[in-house]
Amino acid sequence: EPEVTQTPSHQVTQMGQEVILRCVPISNHLYFYWYRQILGQKVEFLVSFYNNEISEKSEIFDDQFSVERPDGSNFTLKIRSTKLEDSAMYFCAIKTSGGTDTQYFGPGTRLTVL
Amino acid sequence: SQQGEEDPQALSIQEGENATMNCSYKTSINNLQWYRQNSGRGLVHLILIRSNEREKHSGRLRVTLDTSKKSSSLLITASRAADTASYFCATAQGGSEKLVFGKGTKLTVNP
Repeated sequence: EPEVTQTPSHQVTQMGQEVILRCVPISNHLYFYWYRQILGQKVEFLVSFYNNEISEKSEIFDDQFSVERPDGSNFTLKIRSTKLEDSAMYFCAIKTSGGTDTQYFGPGTRLTVL
Repeated sequence: SQQGEEDPQALSIQEGENATMNCSYKTSINNLQWYRQNSGRGLVHLILIRSNEREKHSGRLRVTLDTSKKSSSLLITASRAADTASYFCATAQGGSEKLVFGKGTKLTVNP
């Protein structure tokens, strides 16, 4: 199973601050995803990223969110101005190939917005 | 409409017993995946079953898929206390890459 790490494991921030969450796949992958899980709720899709561009995004992924692979390795999710309702567990997922294949999830970053 | 709804919401059994969790969905799918999540932790992939498959096994796990009923079941045989976790089904539909998750079944295996 491909290994994915995420940093930080826990991020506490003040409302209105910018946060950057990082995902580091151990080996080369082409397909990247961000999901989030608000406490006690379903896991929700945010965005998919392929070939260095967004391939699909949900209505949650508004202008406050952005993704990039700044160095060809890390995959980042930036929230420009955090809101209280952004508090959630954020998961990065990767897929090794196209089509119907397994998405492997990282351990998550717990974001707390105060 | 809700896609990937599991039932029961919670299940408590004794070690050694079998646990069965069900998932229903509303639209046609490409595949259905089951994940496990220990409390507050990441999602661990268990098994993927494609829309043209009816049953898959992996160790103590058995997954069935009935596309005519738009439902899937996950059976864990000879359960262990370490199986205590929440179990989610997730579906992939059409040309979309995203997974749509259900609310999950919280399984407690008592030693």
